[in-house]
Amino acid sequence: EADIYQTPRYLVIGTGKKITLECSQTMGHDKMYWYQQDPGMELHLIHYSYGVNSTEKGDLSSESTVSRIRTEHFPLTLESARPSHTSQYLCASSESPGLPTQYFGPGTRLLVL
Amino acid sequence: AQTVTQSQPEMSVQEAETVTLSCTYDTSENNYYLFWYKQPPSRQMILVIRQEAYKQQNATENRFSVNFQKAAKSFSLKISDSQLGDTAMYFCAFMRFSGTYKYIFGTGTRLKVLA
Repeated sequence: EADIYQTPRYLVIGTGKKITLECSQTMGHDKMYWYQQDPGMELHLIHYSYGVNSTEKGDLSSESTVSRIRTEHFPLTLESARPSHTSQYLCASSESPGLPTQYFGPGTRLLVL
Repeated sequence: AQTVTQSQPEMSVQEAETVTLSCTYDTSENNYYLFWYKQPPSRQMILVIRQEAYKQQNATENRFSVNFQKAAKSFSLKISDSQLGDTAMYFCAFMRFSGTYKYIFGTGTRLKVLA
């Protein structure tokens, strides 16, 4: 399996709390991505990064924010969690245009009460 | 804008049989990549197979092969000798050669292999 990690794996939290989902990879990949996926459904890109200090919003509007201060680390933050944020969040990374395979983390399942 | 369509929400196949999952896509690009990813229940998404659009030869990976029809914009996945471990969600995905390195995913096909 790929060397990309996500913590926590599961999180149950109350409305209004601030949360940060961690994602790190040890492959030195430049590009990293966050997807939101409801159970058994398609993936929606919410953020991506081409490298350090580069972040872009994805196709699905999200109230979350991301940062990329280090190549290996791409955390996602929700300032005030709401029940509508309940979902699975998948982090992925890829190396270059010549090798566009994305490697996925195990995901974080978030439940906001 | 590119779109990816998987018209089979669910499929089942008997162990050791062959099954084909369908995927069509829409693009005006000439150079791109196509992928099939597998997401087993409660496990990590992994790449099954990848196809570069400029290659005419269909990609194969052991029991997995694709039928890539560029003119028809079709990219089906064939799984031969199906195994119980093949039970998973399968996602077809598209990525352009240049510009933004974003994937476009289909809605997925849930495959169940029956013993």
